Amino acid sequence: DTEVTQTPKHLVMGMTNKKSLKCEQHMGHRAMYWYKQKAKKPPELMFVYSYEKLSINESVPSRFSPECPNSSLLNLHLHALQPEDSALYLCASSRLRDQPQHFGDGTRLSIL
Amino acid sequence: AQSVTQLDSHVSVSEGTPVLLRCNYSSSYSPSLFWYVQHPNKGLQLLLKYTSAATLVKGINGFEAEFKKSETSFHLTKPSAHMSDAAEYFCVVSRDSGNTPLVFGKGTRLSVIA
Repeated sequence: DTEVTQTPKHLVMGMTNKKSLKCEQHMGHRAMYWYKQKAKKPPELMFVYSYEKLSINESVPSRFSPECPNSSLLNLHLHALQPEDSALYLCASSRLRDQPQHFGDGTRLSIL
Repeated sequence: AQSVTQLDSHVSVSEGTPVLLRCNYSSSYSPSLFWYVQHPNKGLQLLLKYTSAATLVKGINGFEAEFKKSETSFHLTKPSAHMSDAAEYFCVVSRDSGNTPLVFGKGTRLSVIA
């Protein structure tokens, strides 16, 4: 069982919907990450939070909005997504920013 | 700038035979290197990490990797493949010294034939 929990596991949404992805860890990690992974490709970094503050935004479109309400939770708010945004969205955490990362099993997102 | 090259996109081995997945890296600093495995419809699991303590690194599930600075390589090996080893494997280098973002290789798909 993974120590990073992501919900939901699957999400289908229309281009006009608003939805959120949730990630939770209780390992006391102070760095959390969002990745996007297309089929047969490596993960691509989207956002990095360190001590609940956004430290890296890899030029992600504004239709993706991250939020870190506390040290255990990381959300990704979605609005007006495009079909090309269909992918596996992975959350990860690490004790500190330069430590190995622990990944959740991801949310598989499909945009209709 | 850091980069990593996985030399094989697909490796196929018979069950019980050795596994070799090749990875070369480029780094301006003394690198941190990792191998992650991803099974279908799962997240990534850390197999092992190199952070300059020892050049031969032992990981989970019988895997190990050797850091060779002269060859800028960090190949992953296992003496005897098991069916459950079939997965995608990523070689990863840290981007900058003391900075977290990871640079992923393109991945190697390992198939294990019964």
